[in-house]
Amino acid sequence: DAGVTQSPTHLIKTRGQHVTLRCSPISGHKSVSWYQQVLGQGPQFIFQYYEKEERGRGNFPDRFSARQFPNYSSELNVNALLLGDSALYLCASSVGQSSYNSPLHFGNGTRLTVT
Amino acid sequence: GNSVTQMEGPVTLSEEAFLTINCTYTATGYPSLFWYVQYPGEGLQLLLKATKADDKGSNKGFEATYRKETTSFHLEKGSVQVSDSAVYFCALSMNQAGTALIFGKGTTLSVSS
Repeated sequence: DAGVTQSPTHLIKTRGQHVTLRCSPISGHKSVSWYQQVLGQGPQFIFQYYEKEERGRGNFPDRFSARQFPNYSSELNVNALLLGDSALYLCASSVGQSSYNSPLHFGNGTRLTVT
Repeated sequence: GNSVTQMEGPVTLSEEAFLTINCTYTATGYPSLFWYVQYPGEGLQLLLKATKADDKGSNKGFEATYRKETTSFHLEKGSVQVSDSAVYFCALSMNQAGTALIFGKGTTLSVSS
């Protein structure tokens, strides 16, 4: 079975540009979560979408936005990129809404470099 | 605020050695606790979890016990294998209804034969 797939795998952008990252969850998974992992740190929660609605948001500025499509895939958008946005962006999917009962399955991430 | 602190790595062990990776947490309330593992070239995956005090999570020979009195969730394995080489992340969740996890920085384990 295919796992969580993310595209692109690597991306280089310039300050001020915007970027769109894509995620396809495991078939049958209705929840998609986005995390940012800066080098040397653990992943930090950005968003959760479940059944196409936002169900959680971390402490990130409004430059970060996301959406979930009817097929449960998701996009993460970041506007007005800053050097500090350089990180590995992880997508995780789960069957249900809660990590208590539905373990998260992570993709391999998109490595974003902002120059 | 809520946070997770893990022991600094890397941890280097010989095969069949005993493993402990320390994890302590700070939380306002009663979190659920998790260990995630990332093998080389793969995505993070859940290793084990515990949802209330004194619960013991276990999987693949790894164990961790939720200790409320010491706010700890240390990961242990009696005999490590080369295939256990990976990065291990301790995490907590305060939200029973969502997937917002707070992760530690991760501990790299390297096991040699």
